Amino acid sequence: QSVLTQPPSASGTPGQTVTISCSGSHSNIGGNTVNWYQHLPGTAPKLLMYTNDLRTSGVPDRFSGSKSGNSASLAISGLQSGDEGDYYCAAWDDGLNGPVFGGGTKLTVL
Amino acid sequence: QVQLVESGGGVVQPGTSLTLACEASGFTFSSYAMHWVRQAPGKGLEWVALISYDGTQRFYADSVRGRFTISRDDSKKTLSLQMTRLQLEDTAIYYCARGMLLYSNSEPCDYWGPGNLVTVSS
Repeated sequence: QSVLTQPPSASGTPGQTVTISCSGSHSNIGGNTVNWYQHLPGTAPKLLMYTNDLRTSGVPDRFSGSKSGNSASLAISGLQSGDEGDYYCAAWDDGLNGPVFGGGTKLTVL
Repeated sequence: QVQLVESGGGVVQPGTSLTLACEASGFTFSSYAMHWVRQAPGKGLEWVALISYDGTQRFYADSVRGRFTISRDDSKKTLSLQMTRLQLEDTAIYYCARGMLLYSNSEPCDYWGPGNLVTVSS
């Protein structure tokens, strides 16, 4: 079981908006910022969002992040087929002295 | 440009040891914390270990503490992961990754290597 909780799957049709949730505790999300990674098949994970709502260079503004209390979410608008893959939330954990990941959400574009 | 390339993976028997290496280029290696993260078959990402930019701090996941050792050689721009007493559950793709900001441990990983497969099988 992962420390952070994500839904195992999400789906949408092209153009729709999909939201992926991530919940944790005060030692990770509650006390630190949240990051999101995109892991496409056959590639290395890519840092998508950091510090809750900042996009890394080159990430389109279709991607947005937010955090409230011990939870966070990633929204993807204008869904495209190229967005299919796995998405992971992560946050530093003060008890572990390391980052913790969610279990990942497999996004399918129907 | 920043590049990270892992090596040293392979098929090993339970109880044996293996050392992974990660060669870095394109940035000032000695100024960044470095991580190992793994992904077991069909599973999600799992953080394994972290070493601070100056090598004075090392942190481990509970699942590997006491069996794995992370180290760095700044002169060779190389990150290593010495894995001992390997278990079937250690089978995974192992990624090395860089912490995003200079000198800080708690930043996300902004660059990742392509990964290296370690298979523990009898």
